[in-house]
Amino acid sequence: GENVEQHPSTLSVQEGDSAVIKCTYSDSASNYFPWYKQELGKGPQLIIDIRSNVGEKKDQRIAVTLNKTAKHFSLHITETQPEDSAVYFCAAGNRDDKIIFGKGTRLHILP
Amino acid sequence: EAEVAQSPRYKITEKSQAVAFWCDPISGHATLYWYRQILGQGPELLVQFQDESVVDDSQLPKDRFSAERLKGVDSTLKIQPAELGDSAMYLCASSPVSHNEQFFGPGTRLTVL
Repeated sequence: GENVEQHPSTLSVQEGDSAVIKCTYSDSASNYFPWYKQELGKGPQLIIDIRSNVGEKKDQRIAVTLNKTAKHFSLHITETQPEDSAVYFCAAGNRDDKIIFGKGTRLHILP
Repeated sequence: EAEVAQSPRYKITEKSQAVAFWCDPISGHATLYWYRQILGQGPELLVQFQDESVVDDSQLPKDRFSAERLKGVDSTLKIQPAELGDSAMYLCASSPVSHNEQFFGPGTRLTVL
């Protein structure tokens, strides 16, 4: 089955700097790659996703890149703000409508 | 904006007791998922419904867990009897038919004493 590895587990960046979180997946049949943000005590919230026919997608300060050959994808957050502090999860899914989550990255934005 | 509703938000119970969680998906979403999230980890799928039918319950501990979605709308997840290791966040998500995008509810935080 699918296995998703996520790095780093914790990331601290200065406010205004960029943050990058990287994930790898094992199943070459995976074709859907969402990213979720989870704040303390809340459910995960979808922030951006990308499908396998696209190499890059951007939404304001957030961008995701996908390298299907290498089976890895990354989340980039630019001009980080205090409200970006949260746990971020990558996931990989296939045509069965299932997604497998990584273990998460705790992002701290330092003042 | 439509949201997935879950209740209760918090539940404290003693081991060997029965607990039940309720989920109301976004209207019109045919697919419903129950996940378990242990502190510090990503959500793990317990059961997936398509309308009222179970699509995947391979990771559901069926000796103590049960799930139903009788009319293909809201759903209930039950644990009987609860064990200490069941302490976790239980998340419900829903998705439109044949679409990967999943929308999560706020979760139920279960503590088993």
